[in-house]
Amino acid sequence: GAVVSQHPSRVICKSGTSVKIECRSLDFQATTMFWYRQFPKQSLMLMATSNEGSKATYEQGVEKDKFLINHASLTLSTLTVTSAHPEDSSFYICSAVPIQTGETDTQYFGPGTRLTVL
Amino acid sequence: GENVEQHPSTLSVQEGDSAVIKCTYSDSASNYFPWYKQELGKRPQLIIDIRSNVGEKKDQRIAVTLNKTAKHFSLHITETQPEDSAVYFCAASPGGYSTLTFGKGTMLLVSP
Repeated sequence: GAVVSQHPSRVICKSGTSVKIECRSLDFQATTMFWYRQFPKQSLMLMATSNEGSKATYEQGVEKDKFLINHASLTLSTLTVTSAHPEDSSFYICSAVPIQTGETDTQYFGPGTRLTVL
Repeated sequence: GENVEQHPSTLSVQEGDSAVIKCTYSDSASNYFPWYKQELGKRPQLIIDIRSNVGEKKDQRIAVTLNKTAKHFSLHITETQPEDSAVYFCAASPGGYSTLTFGKGTMLLVSP
């Protein structure tokens, strides 16, 4: 149980284009999902907290107009990288917290999306 | 905000030896401390976690200890195997849908 999927797993795009990444909880519902970015050989850096039915909460230094987050249902959150540039190339990982289990702090991670901007 | 320090950054052991990774945190409000294992290019996987009402938790070859007074917690892996080789991250959170703050990770290498 507690499976999180991400799509796509890998994307290569040209500079200036927008890329949408989907994060889905497959066997549970989640009011809260998180988006992280991980550069090579570094730790996970939280970008934003995605709340179903409300605006996302962004971490300091993360541009909300560049990284658009939509949490439209209890099983889906999307991250859109707008006008992507080479410095946005990274591994983007989402996580979700199940609402059914009562453990409101356990995060389950998706497999990640490798974004390469040429 | 919370600050999590993790040591060592790399750890090399022989198969069968024990491995210990240590983390310290700064926010006394933190009460949830998970450990994640991440293989190259893959998702972090929760391997064990501990909450502040417990001092120690064990799951087969893996154990975690927590000292709330000193604000530190440790991961212990006994009888290490080559498949334990990965990057391990500690994290801390106040709980209740709150964010996780991660340590910088420890690359564990287990040599046959």
